[in-house]
Amino acid sequence: EVQLVESGGGLVQPGGSLRLSCTASGFTFSSYWMSWVRQAPGKGLEWVANIKQDGSEKYYVDSVKGRFTISRDNAKRSLDLQMNSLRVEDTAVYYCARRGGASSPLGYWGQGTLVTVSS
Amino acid sequence: QSALTQPASVSGSPGQSIAISCTGTSSDVGGYNYVSWYQQHPGKAPKLMIYEVSNRPSGISDRFSGSKSGNTASLTISGLQAEDEAEYYCSSYSSGTTLEVFGTGTKVTVL
Repeated sequence: EVQLVESGGGLVQPGGSLRLSCTASGFTFSSYWMSWVRQAPGKGLEWVANIKQDGSEKYYVDSVKGRFTISRDNAKRSLDLQMNSLRVEDTAVYYCARRGGASSPLGYWGQGTLVTVSS
Repeated sequence: QSALTQPASVSGSPGQSIAISCTGTSSDVGGYNYVSWYQQHPGKAPKLMIYEVSNRPSGISDRFSGSKSGNTASLTISGLQAEDEAEYYCSSYSSGTTLEVFGTGTKVTVL
């Protein structure tokens, strides 16, 4: 059974940093692109970042470029999102999701982890 | 990159069919057959219902179907059931700087 479990969310002040992690099981992690998608409270879904199987390609939504970094450790079956210079508008539930290729659908999602940016 | 446009809400009675539209541009919906649809129940993670415009993942009921014409994609739910009540989001690959764009979301209510 495919499982994706996010961790690392919490309350952080504006300008602060937070690192999210996603641990994968039930599939060959190194064979899939992975993504982060977020959802602000009461709002819609927003794609945040993609990373290729070997980490050689990374893509970000414009609003997080230069502040967020997506990375992966295939040996540990883990996906990370380093978030720096956090803003109030980054407050959201962050989901880790698996996709087959760069343009493939998000076939499996984690349960999400809440990040709250507030003073 | 703007979100794809969906109606805020759609409703129907049990057994009826409803359709949800998803309007984008030639840079996303109209330019690629990489349109997906996701179902999200309150407090839960999204679930893939349709991919590549009209394909259903294994385990998804054939009551759910997808189509596309020009810059607008559609999700049709036939034989509406109580458990179909949820928020639905479309998404599309995009040629802009944002590789993937989601729709604004549609709340489906079963009367």
